Amino acid sequence: AQKITQTQPGMFVQEKEAVTLDCTYDTSDQSYGLFWYKQPSSGEMIFLIYQGSYDEQNATEGRYSLNFQKARKSANLVISASQLGDSAMYFCAMGDYGQNFVFGPGTRLSVLP
Amino acid sequence: DADVTQTPRNRITKTGKRIMLECSQTKGHDRMYWYRQDPGLGLRLIYYSFDVKDINKGEISDGYSVSRQAQAKFSLSLESAIPNQTALYFCATSDVGTADGYTFGSGTRLTVV
Repeated sequence: AQKITQTQPGMFVQEKEAVTLDCTYDTSDQSYGLFWYKQPSSGEMIFLIYQGSYDEQNATEGRYSLNFQKARKSANLVISASQLGDSAMYFCAMGDYGQNFVFGPGTRLSVLP
Repeated sequence: DADVTQTPRNRITKTGKRIMLECSQTKGHDRMYWYRQDPGLGLRLIYYSFDVKDINKGEISDGYSVSRQAQAKFSLSLESAIPNQTALYFCATSDVGTADGYTFGSGTRLTVV
């Protein structure tokens, strides 16, 4: 069975600093995708970034990058130059290409001015 | 208009009442999902549907039922609501084999008193 672990229930970061949110996963599939979502206090789920298991390069989307270490089964999210608007819950998720997703428990990030 | 619309946005209901949460989408996706979110547990899958004639139970389907009325509509019912079904409910859609992950609705905050 697939499983996502996020070991950081809460994180603090100073504005303009970079922060890494940890995610490890467990799967026996060879082909899968890793995703990060942001959930601000308003509640909606916002897609941030995707990494395919066969992608050789780490994914980047603006200030977001995904540090993918396949052998270690980790897919950490790196946010550069944190902004106050980055304060939110962040969920790591994994899907096979049947698109059945498993979500981690989330990390609450607080950006300090 | 939002790609995935959930109604109602908020609902308070009494124990034992039947309640229906509705979801409609304009993405044209075949796959639709219902998740519930509880603090510290992330999102857990209730039911999913890969097309109009396909309905599947997820991780926590007990106490819930669904109906896929059309490609664009997927409703979730609580036949007899109980307080531990108080949660934030999300509908989501996905396309097969894409890197876009899920498109989520804005969520329905349900309180059972």
